[in-house]
Amino acid sequence: GNSVTQMEGPVTLSEEAFLTINCTYTATGYPSLFWYVQYPGEGLQLLLKATKADDKGSNKGFEATYRKETTSFHLEKGSVQVSDSAVYFCALSPSNTGKLIFGQGTTLQVKP
Amino acid sequence: GAGVSQSPRYKVAKRGQDVALRCDPISGHVSLFWYQQALGQGPEFLTYFQNEAQLDKSGLPSDRFFAERPEGSVSTLKIQRTQQEDSAVYLCASSLGEDRTQGYTFGSGTRLTVV
Repeated sequence: GNSVTQMEGPVTLSEEAFLTINCTYTATGYPSLFWYVQYPGEGLQLLLKATKADDKGSNKGFEATYRKETTSFHLEKGSVQVSDSAVYFCALSPSNTGKLIFGQGTTLQVKP
Repeated sequence: GAGVSQSPRYKVAKRGQDVALRCDPISGHVSLFWYQQALGQGPEFLTYFQNEAQLDKSGLPSDRFFAERPEGSVSTLKIQRTQQEDSAVYLCASSLGEDRTQGYTFGSGTRLTVV
């Protein structure tokens, strides 16, 4: 079946540190991959996406590359800010449906 | 509207009570989804509408859960005879078309607590 596994949190970093949040997936066919972010007190927001192998999604300094050979879509940012503190969700959309399958979420806390 | 609107924001129900949760998607959005998010977990798919047609209800956990979108815009998720395990945040999301590669716009959710 289809599933998403994220690294467990919380992840605590100092401001300007490098961020990696690991995400691996299991899927049949050719899924699209997404990262969503949930800031405190707010709804889920799309952060970035990639629709085919080797695509790189990027937004607000965050990047993730669709790696079919390793079934991964790790989220990275070169220099985090306190304002990046949030819960990050990796998700996939299977090739024959429109629904999203989410990982369990990873909480990021950035300290000044 | 400017975003996906859900009401109420919070709902406390006594076990056994019926509840109705409302979703107003962005005007003109064809696709509408409902998700259930338990505390500390990622959202889980419940059901999907394309206009007024319910194309996928495979995620509804039991026959106590029912969703409708009669005119292809506003949707209601109804839970009958609520149980404690129904306590969760219920999220609605919509998108303009049927293109699955586009992300969806999520509402802020309804937090349901069954006591």
